[in-house]
Amino acid sequence: DAGVIQSPRHEVTEMGQEVTLRCKPISGHNSLFWYRQTMMRGLELLIYFNNNVPIDDSGMPEDRFSAKMPNASFSTLKIQPSEPRDSAVYFCASSLGDPTEAFFGQGTRLTVV
Amino acid sequence: KQEVTQIPAALSVPEGENLVLNCSFTDSAIYNLQWFRQDPGKGLTSLLLIQSSQREQTSGRLNASLDKSSGRSTLYIAASQPGDSATYLCAVKLGGGSNYKLTFGKGTLLTVNP
Repeated sequence: DAGVIQSPRHEVTEMGQEVTLRCKPISGHNSLFWYRQTMMRGLELLIYFNNNVPIDDSGMPEDRFSAKMPNASFSTLKIQPSEPRDSAVYFCASSLGDPTEAFFGQGTRLTVV
Repeated sequence: KQEVTQIPAALSVPEGENLVLNCSFTDSAIYNLQWFRQDPGKGLTSLLLIQSSQREQTSGRLNASLDKSSGRSTLYIAASQPGDSATYLCAVKLGGGSNYKLTFGKGTLLTVNP
């Protein structure tokens, strides 16, 4: 397996634009995590899916953020409209349930100007 | 609310030196603690996982200890090498209904100079 695949690797967008980040988890994994990493706040859990169902989205900072998992092999994190303070590295991770056994993707570095 | 702190934020050492990275957490009711390595532009790679009932775990030149009652963990790296240069993060997992959550520290950026 190629591991957790995220796209794009880098995204630069203007304030107010819609941004969509994509994640393909490892085949067979039933848990998917979206994290955000910033210098100020470190790595934070945004949302957790189990069997394609959002279990906990309490980490999603604002209504501008939304996430979907239409099937077991694909998830998206959307920001609309984007703001400069959304600039961060966004990671997707997947596991067979236990977060300590999760595999991380390489992340998407988002810059909003 | 669980908070995880890592000190120092950055550390630079000469090759061959033994070193210790520190991690502290505010709520001792953890299920386990995990150390990760993060290379620039890459995701996190798990290094060591210590269950709350354990005192330490070892893997090669790495040794992680856990003192749950005092809310501390250390990662000891023996005979450091330039290839050890990376950011090291610790994370704690709570038990019970939040057992899918990891709370991360901000990391220690380690540079090992040849």
